[in-house]
Amino acid sequence: KNEVEQSPQNLTAQEGEFITINCSYSVGISALHWLQQHPGGGIVSLFMLSSGKKKHGRLIATINIQEKHSSLHITASHPRDSAVYICAVEGTGANSKLTFGKGITLSVRP
Amino acid sequence: KAGVTQTPRYLIKTRGQQVTLSCSPISGHRSVSWYQQTPGQGLQFLFEYFSETQRNKGNFPGRFSGRQFSNSRSEMNVSTLELGDSALYLCASSADLVGYTFGSGTRLTVV
Repeated sequence: KNEVEQSPQNLTAQEGEFITINCSYSVGISALHWLQQHPGGGIVSLFMLSSGKKKHGRLIATINIQEKHSSLHITASHPRDSAVYICAVEGTGANSKLTFGKGITLSVRP
Repeated sequence: KAGVTQTPRYLIKTRGQQVTLSCSPISGHRSVSWYQQTPGQGLQFLFEYFSETQRNKGNFPGRFSGRQFSNSRSEMNVSTLELGDSALYLCASSADLVGYTFGSGTRLTVV
């Protein structure tokens, strides 16, 4: 079993829809990161979370440390949101490296 | 503020050769980490350097090595290239509580 699991595997939505992407992890972490990768490779860091909830524009990220679960929500989705969304967890102490989920490919249709 | 710069962007090498990739972090960031991304395995951690010291290492063979210079620039080296080393190699720089900023990557093709 992977240390970081994302669901659903792939996602297609209509423009304007509310989208939720989930991430579950099985190890102790110091932080969880949501990353966005567009075709061509560049990765953008969307959120770094260690507790609670963060909001940036139409994006909201939440984390439940007790349940080892995080969600990324996209409100009023737009075709430009089409990308791969990757959840990564940062270990603790000497094991502070990033471990990544497989990523979710989101396609938003106009 | 300049971002993370990786050079070269694209590289084609022959099996058995060696390659060196370069990463210049954001000014003031002392931590640089390297990642390999392939369609089959996704993103995998290679190693992390902080103030010229390797702080963490992933599960890659010894053919993969790196170093960091006093100006925080980092290089990674892959010796005796194999076809399976074809991948996108990404570096990221970070500072405490700031999170990671990724470079655009170097796409390595081994033929």
